[in-house]
Amino acid sequence: AQTVTQSQPEMSVQEAETVTLSCTYDTSENNYYLFWYKQPPSRQMILVIRQEAYKQQNATENRFSVNFQKAAKSFSLKISDSQLGDTAMYFCAFIPSMYSGGGADGLTFGKGTHLIIQP
Amino acid sequence: DAGVTQSPTHLIKTRGQQVTLRCSPKSGHDTVSWYQQALGQGPQFIFQYYEEEERQRGNFPDRFSGHQFPNYSSELNVNALLLGDSALYLCASSGRSDSNQPQHFGDGTRLSIL
Repeated sequence: AQTVTQSQPEMSVQEAETVTLSCTYDTSENNYYLFWYKQPPSRQMILVIRQEAYKQQNATENRFSVNFQKAAKSFSLKISDSQLGDTAMYFCAFIPSMYSGGGADGLTFGKGTHLIIQP
Repeated sequence: DAGVTQSPTHLIKTRGQQVTLRCSPKSGHDTVSWYQQALGQGPQFIFQYYEEEERQRGNFPDRFSGHQFPNYSSELNVNALLLGDSALYLCASSGRSDSNQPQHFGDGTRLSIL
């Protein structure tokens, strides 16, 4: 079974600052995917960024980037030039690759980090 | 191109009743997964449907059941409702034939049990 741990229940930064959200996970799988999802008060879960475990290069999407450390089983999210619209719950999630024999498992989520961007 | 749609938006039931939630996947997706998100928690995987069959199941009792139709839409049924079933129920769709596709989520159904 997989577990995902987000150790920061809440974080608050000023607009335009850079913030890093932490995530660690535990798995015996070798091939898997990691995700960061954003859930604003509107409650829709929105994909922020995705990382494939077999890729060494850290994923980047505009102001969002990850620091993926496979050996340490760590997957942090960095948000640069933070904006008011970044205020939301952020969830780290894991899913085994279907090609690794992990089957069609669902996503395993952490408990989330509430990020507040102050004006 | 419509994304994942769920209905109803909000539902109020009493203990012991039964409820059916509905989900239409994003166009081009054939796999539907259901999640339960209790207040202040991350979503928990209930089960996944592909080719009209339940393929994987999380740690949920048999009171939770589902169905997938030939057009890939899906229903989640919960029998004998308990107060603890109060939660946001999220539906997510993906294309099973392409494991590189992430799961796309709907806006959820807020279920309140009185």
